[in-house]
Amino acid sequence: KNQVEQSPQSLIILEGKNCTLQCNYTVSPFSNLRWYKQDTGRGPVSLTIMTFSENTKSNGRYTATLDADTKQSSLHITASQLSDSASYICVVSPGESGGYNKLIFGAGTRLAVHP
Amino acid sequence: DAGVIQSPRHEVTEMGQEVTLRCKPISGHDYLFWYRQTMMRGLELLIYFNNNVPIDDSGMPEDRFSAKMPNASFSTLKIQPSEPRDSAVYFCASSLDRYRGSTDTQYFGPGTRLTVL
Repeated sequence: KNQVEQSPQSLIILEGKNCTLQCNYTVSPFSNLRWYKQDTGRGPVSLTIMTFSENTKSNGRYTATLDADTKQSSLHITASQLSDSASYICVVSPGESGGYNKLIFGAGTRLAVHP
Repeated sequence: DAGVIQSPRHEVTEMGQEVTLRCKPISGHDYLFWYRQTMMRGLELLIYFNNNVPIDDSGMPEDRFSAKMPNASFSTLKIQPSEPRDSAVYFCASSLDRYRGSTDTQYFGPGTRLTVL
C-alpha cells in the first residue's frame, strides 16, 4: 500500500536552532516529492519539489534531501525563526509519467519555535 | 496578482442544506485543484481541472459532491445535501503547466472553513 509517514509528529525547538523533519514513503513507482509549509489558518505554501533524479533542493533556509533508494526525504531548517512555526507536509506523487492523480499526503509535522 | 481567491471564508450550515464554495484561480494558470483538510484525514485531493476540463475526480467522496469550472477564472465545489461529516477546510489551488508535467508549484487559496450542524 502506498503510504507517506512523517516524523516526528510534533517538535519544539528554540529560536536560532536547526532541525530536521523526516518523510518516509513506500510509494512505487515514484514521480516527485513535495514539501509544503502550512501556517495555522492558512493554505499550504510550496517549499520544494524534487523529482526522483534530484538529491537536494534548497529554498532559503529550507533544504530538502531525497534518497530514492531508501525512499526517504528530509527537510532541514537552518537558524530557525519564530515564523517557522507551522505544519510541514510531505506529499508524494506516484507514477512514472507524473500526473496529479492519487497524490499521497503525509500527516505533517507540527513545528513550534520558541524564543 | 491577488493570488487564489476563495469565498466564503467561513460557512456554517445545517445538515441537508446545499453548500457552494467558490474559487478564482491565479490569472493564466491552467490547472485548478480542490482539496479538503480535516484533522482525522489530513489533506486530500478531491478533483482537478486542466483548461477547465475535469481530469480526475476519483477523490470526490460521493455523489453529493460536484465541481464545475465554467471558465478559466471561476470554479465551484457544491455539496448537496450537506452532512456533518463534510465539516472541513476546503482549499482551492492553481498552477501553471510550464514543463508539461506535474512538478509545477501549486498556489493555494486561504481556504473555506465549512461547518455542517
